[in-house]
Amino acid sequence: DQQVKQNSPSLSVQEGRISILNCDYTNSMFDYFLWYKKYPAEGPTFLISISSIKDKNEDGRFTVFLNKSAKHLSLHIVPSQPGDSAVYFCAASDGNAGNMLTFGGGTRLMVKP
Amino acid sequence: EAGVAQSPRYKIIEKRQSVAFWCNPISGHATLYWYQQILGQGPKLLIQFQNNGVVDDSQLPKDRFSAERLKGVDSTLKIQPAKLEDSAVYLCASSLGSSTNEKLFFGSGTQLSVL
Repeated sequence: DQQVKQNSPSLSVQEGRISILNCDYTNSMFDYFLWYKKYPAEGPTFLISISSIKDKNEDGRFTVFLNKSAKHLSLHIVPSQPGDSAVYFCAASDGNAGNMLTFGGGTRLMVKP
Repeated sequence: EAGVAQSPRYKIIEKRQSVAFWCNPISGHATLYWYQQILGQGPKLLIQFQNNGVVDDSQLPKDRFSAERLKGVDSTLKIQPAKLEDSAVYLCASSLGSSTNEKLFFGSGTQLSVL
């Protein structure tokens, strides 16, 4: 039973355009959401997070949107750069369960110059 | 600041053999995690330690997997005997504490191939 799903295994965008990565979850107890970025042969690195009390969080070129009623979140990258090419994982946690993260399957983003 | 260190980087073994992975977390990080990432999937939590105590090991296949964190610093994860389906990247992560918004820092992982 996948509680966090990323339905697009890959996404290709042109440099300078917007990248939108989507994530859906089923567990209504999740109250904290994160995006991690992973380059080949490296571990995932934290990118941005959002608490369930917010619907938007911005950090430079990266913005995460949360729609609690739809159990959906998205990561917007604008403008996209070739260095953003990586696998992006959505993750969620339940505050009552400490810091145990449930990850989605990842979306491979390719930004073409 | 040094990151999370893991070794070995790669390991190839035959099924039914045993294997061990080592992790050294970031200095001062009380919480340590082991994740299993099968190709094409997201990381799955195997076990979480708070200092040298186990917080959650509900997804650890305890008939063949074991982990310890003696003295609350380094940790080892062992598989004995290995099965073909254990082929994956084993990621170690650490965080300062175990509250919800604590950032996890991951190591580069150990890629295990079971033949």
